Amino acid sequence: DAKTTQPNSMESNEEEPVHLPCNHSTISGTDYIHWYRQLPSQGPEYVIHGLTSNVNNRMASLAIAEDRKSSTLILHRATLRDAAVYYCILRDSAQKLVFGQGTRLTINP
Amino acid sequence: DTGVSQNPRHKITKRGQNVTFRCDPISEHNRLYWYRQTLGQGPEFLTYFQNEAQLEKSRLLSDRFSAERPKGSFSTLEIQRTEQGDSAMYLCASSLATGGPKNIQYFGAGTRLSVL
Repeated sequence: DAKTTQPNSMESNEEEPVHLPCNHSTISGTDYIHWYRQLPSQGPEYVIHGLTSNVNNRMASLAIAEDRKSSTLILHRATLRDAAVYYCILRDSAQKLVFGQGTRLTINP
Repeated sequence: DTGVSQNPRHKITKRGQNVTFRCDPISEHNRLYWYRQTLGQGPEFLTYFQNEAQLEKSRLLSDRFSAERPKGSFSTLEIQRTEQGDSAMYLCASSLATGGPKNIQYFGAGTRLSVL
């Protein structure tokens, strides 16, 4: 499975936008970029996914670089409930998810 | 719409005892996955089923671990002769088999195992 690199931790303030980066320089042409997040004491939760074009849903936006070697998860207006570990995952099939260490996001009130 | 349900939520056992966890997936999902998560790490894949067939097992799944999904609905994960290194959160996820790499997995809240 192709590898992703994320910062260990990030901090932001409530009601401000948050940009969570992910590098995936070895991505293949068929890999989808998925983001999951894990709130404290819960299982991971799907956030968003994309292939080439930027994507928006009710939770977040995903901006994908033109060369697809990096992507950014955007939370437009962070709340305290967005404090979680965010995982960027590449997938080329419907099988297992391969998680890295993720980015621990702290939101300050 | 009920999500993925895992029982028990917490289990404390003594080293050497056997433990069994249960996972009830979302009802129409034919795929079921087990993952293990230790403190400070991301979840690691253990095994997955499509209906009742176990299609892949990780090398992490030693011979003390066995998973079943007898009727293609709920699944159980048994650990025999538990060791302190088995202490972890055991997560279950389910999904449809369709969608290829766009497929989404839905996770339960996990079973936290502590081996004393």
